[in-house]
Amino acid sequence: AQKVTQAQTEISVVEKEDVTLDCVYETRDTTYYLFWYKQPPSGELVFLIRRNSFDEQNEISGRYSWNFQKSTSSFNFTITASQVVDSAVYFCALSEAASISSGSARQLTFGSGTQLTVLP
Amino acid sequence: NAGVTQTPKFQVLKTGQSMTLQCAQDMNHEYMSWYRQDPGMGLRLIHYSVGAGITDQGEVPNGYNVSRSTTEDFPLRLLSAAPSQTSVYFCASRYLAGGDNEQFFGPGTRLTVL
Repeated sequence: AQKVTQAQTEISVVEKEDVTLDCVYETRDTTYYLFWYKQPPSGELVFLIRRNSFDEQNEISGRYSWNFQKSTSSFNFTITASQVVDSAVYFCALSEAASISSGSARQLTFGSGTQLTVLP
Repeated sequence: NAGVTQTPKFQVLKTGQSMTLQCAQDMNHEYMSWYRQDPGMGLRLIHYSVGAGITDQGEVPNGYNVSRSTTEDFPLRLLSAAPSQTSVYFCASRYLAGGDNEQFFGPGTRLTVL
């Protein structure tokens, strides 16, 4: 069964510090997809990024960057020069086929989330 | 384009009462799902559907029923509410083809069972 572990329950940093959120996953599939979502205090879920298992290139989007390493089954998320508006719960998620016959009916499994607080 | 909508936003029930959480999407997505979010546990899949007339159980289906009579709607029914069902419920949808399609989430329903 698939599993996503976010060992950091809460992280607190001071504005402008860099912060890395860890995500470790388990899957038996050779094809799978990884996601990061942000949940600000308002409660909605905001999609940040997806990565498929065949693409190990790191990605940078503004102050956000993602480091995908299949060798360690990790998909870590770094925020550079953090800002107060980055304060949120961040979820890592894994999508794999529910069964051989389910095809595209992939299930999304979430980690327990990391509460990031950026202090002014 | 309203995306994924959920009603109500908040609900308080007494133990044993039943109710239906509504979910609708206007993006013609085949796949729809319900999650519950509890502190420290992330989001857990309750039920999902890959098209009208087709539903299946997720990780935590007990105490919940679903049906999918149309592509647009995917209601979640609580048959006899229990305090353990106090949670925030999210509905989501996506295109079925291609496993990496982004799931679009509704704004959530905060349910309290007394």
